[in-house]
Amino acid sequence: EVQLVESGGGLVQPGGSLRLSCAASGFTFSTSDMNWVRQAPGKGLEWISNISPSGSSIYYADSVKGRFTISRDNARNSLYLQMNSLRDEDTAVYYCVRSNWCANWGQGTLVTVSS
Amino acid sequence: DVVMTQSPLSLPVTLGQPASISCRSSQSLVFSDGYTYLHWFQQRPGQSPRRLIYKVSNRDSGVPDRFSGSGSGTDFTLKISRVEAEDVGVYYCMQGTHWPPITFGQGTRLEIK
Repeated sequence: EVQLVESGGGLVQPGGSLRLSCAASGFTFSTSDMNWVRQAPGKGLEWISNISPSGSSIYYADSVKGRFTISRDNARNSLYLQMNSLRDEDTAVYYCVRSNWCANWGQGTLVTVSS
Repeated sequence: DVVMTQSPLSLPVTLGQPASISCRSSQSLVFSDGYTYLHWFQQRPGQSPRRLIYKVSNRDSGVPDRFSGSGSGTDFTLKISRVEAEDVGVYYCMQGTHWPPITFGQGTRLEIK
């Protein structure tokens, strides 16, 4: 069974930083594209970043480019999202998502940016 | 970026009756390999999204056969043949043909009348 477990969310002040993690199991992590998708409170889904299986190709949504960094550790079956210069509008539940077809989703981790 | 437009945004349905959600894309979703990367997701209240349908019409494992997807090019439809109480939630279409970025529709909220 595919499992994706996010962690690292919490309350942070505007301008602050946070690092999210996603622990993957139940599939061959090293051959899977991975994504981060977020959902602001009461809003829809917004894709924010993708990383290829080897980590050699990385893409970001314009809304986070230059502030967020996606990475992975295939030896640890883990996906990461380093978030810097956080803004109020980054407040959301952040989901770790397997594959470019968004086949499997984690339970999400809530990031709240507020002073 | 490809814009995905769903309608209706709110869908009240009587139990046992059919339901239909439309999703239109701002450009054709046919990829150069001939496949169409249009997928449908269900998000029940308080839960993570779950994929129901991939590549227009393929049901994911464990998805009841009352759910079906159809369409081509820029027009797509998710149908529920007979709505059950557990179908309450928000439904999203998503395109993965012209990425980045992957884009989602605004969501359609299905409720029981």
